[in-house]
Amino acid sequence: KAGVTQTPRYLIKTRGQQVTLSCSPISGHRSVSWYQQTPGQGLQFLFEYFSETQRNKGNFPGRFSGRQFSNSRSEMNVSTLELGDSALYLCASSLAPSQSTDTQYFGPGTRLTVL
Amino acid sequence: AQSVTQLGSHVSVSEGALVLLRCNYSSSVPPYLFWYVQYPNQGLQLLLKYTSAATLVKGINGFEAEFKKSETSFHLTKPSAHMSDAAEYFCAVKGWGSQGNLIFGKGTKLSVKP
Repeated sequence: KAGVTQTPRYLIKTRGQQVTLSCSPISGHRSVSWYQQTPGQGLQFLFEYFSETQRNKGNFPGRFSGRQFSNSRSEMNVSTLELGDSALYLCASSLAPSQSTDTQYFGPGTRLTVL
Repeated sequence: AQSVTQLGSHVSVSEGALVLLRCNYSSSVPPYLFWYVQYPNQGLQLLLKYTSAATLVKGINGFEAEFKKSETSFHLTKPSAHMSDAAEYFCAVKGWGSQGNLIFGKGTKLSVKP
């Protein structure tokens, strides 16, 4: 069974632009969570989607948004990019919503660099 | 609020030596605890998880962790380090109720010397 895939793997953008990242979960998984990883703040939760509904949201500004499609694929969007948005963005999928004990499986991440 | 603290941002051991990575948690309810490993330029891979069953949890690659409620600890161990164990290790606790997301520690980078 294929793992979680994320595209693109690397992105370079400039301040003020917007960016869309994509995540395809493991086949059959309906929950997708997004995390931001930076050297300073570590791993921080962005949001979770289950059956096309946002179930949970971390403490990030409204410039960060996401959505999930009927096939469980998810996208996250960051508008008006700032230098501090440079990070590794990780997507994780699981069968059930994150409140369960189901394991979250992570993708390889998208490395975003904002210049 | 739940949290985890990983003691030591960097641990160095010799090949064949014991690996001990420390994690302490804070939780007002029985926690679900996890250890993940991250190799350079890769995502996170689950090593093991504790979900209130046996307190000694065995994971992949020879790692294990023991849940100690009295010490609020969930330390990760491996009897004999291998060069391939060099990576960054993250301890995480699952949020409670509707906040089921993972809350991660700052990570511990493990170096293995030949």
